[in-house]
Amino acid sequence: TQLLEQSPQFLSIQEGENLTVYCNSSSVFSSLQWYRQEPGEGPVLLVTVVTGGEVKKLKRLTFQFGDARKDSSLHITAAQPGDTGLYLCAGPSNFGNEKLTFGTGTRLTIIP
Amino acid sequence: NAGVTQTPKFQVLKTGQSMTLQCAQDMNHNSMYWYRQDPGMGLRLIYYSASEGTTDKGEVPNGYNVSRLNKREFSLRLESAAPSQTSVYFCASSEPGTWEKLFFGSGTQLSVL
Repeated sequence: TQLLEQSPQFLSIQEGENLTVYCNSSSVFSSLQWYRQEPGEGPVLLVTVVTGGEVKKLKRLTFQFGDARKDSSLHITAAQPGDTGLYLCAGPSNFGNEKLTFGTGTRLTIIP
Repeated sequence: NAGVTQTPKFQVLKTGQSMTLQCAQDMNHNSMYWYRQDPGMGLRLIYYSASEGTTDKGEVPNGYNVSRLNKREFSLRLESAAPSQTSVYFCASSEPGTWEKLFFGSGTQLSVL
């Protein structure tokens, strides 16, 4: 079973600070996705990274795919309360094509 | 545009009771999925349907059955609920060729006592 481990599990920081969360695996992934989930809602896709070493930016969020395609990071600059949520990484599952396996998640709280 | 709609939002069952979770999408997507979400374990795939009339097991299918009623609807049935099935259940759908972009419903919080 392909495992995606995310760290830290919980993170609470002050508004305006920077932070990085991580998604790691011992397996190589053809792509990785990052989703954000707000309380009482389902996850929403933020970005997909495909190429080893790829960096994608979404406003204050920077996503990087590791060179070996086994890990990814999400960096948030000047965090805002609206960034609060559960961040999930996901990748193609070994249960067959067109299925995703999800990481354990990082629960982020931004304190105003 | 409603997207993916799940009912009910909350449900409490006694051990051994049965129930069906309903899911419908209005985006004309071919693929639909059922996931469960438990603390510290992320989202785990229960069942998957690539198209109307087809279903496939995911990572944790035991204790569940599914029906792809038509292109819009994909239901999840618990025949004899167990406390281990206490979880938040999410239905999702995706377009052909963009299977990694899942559109999720808002979830069903199920407690089995």
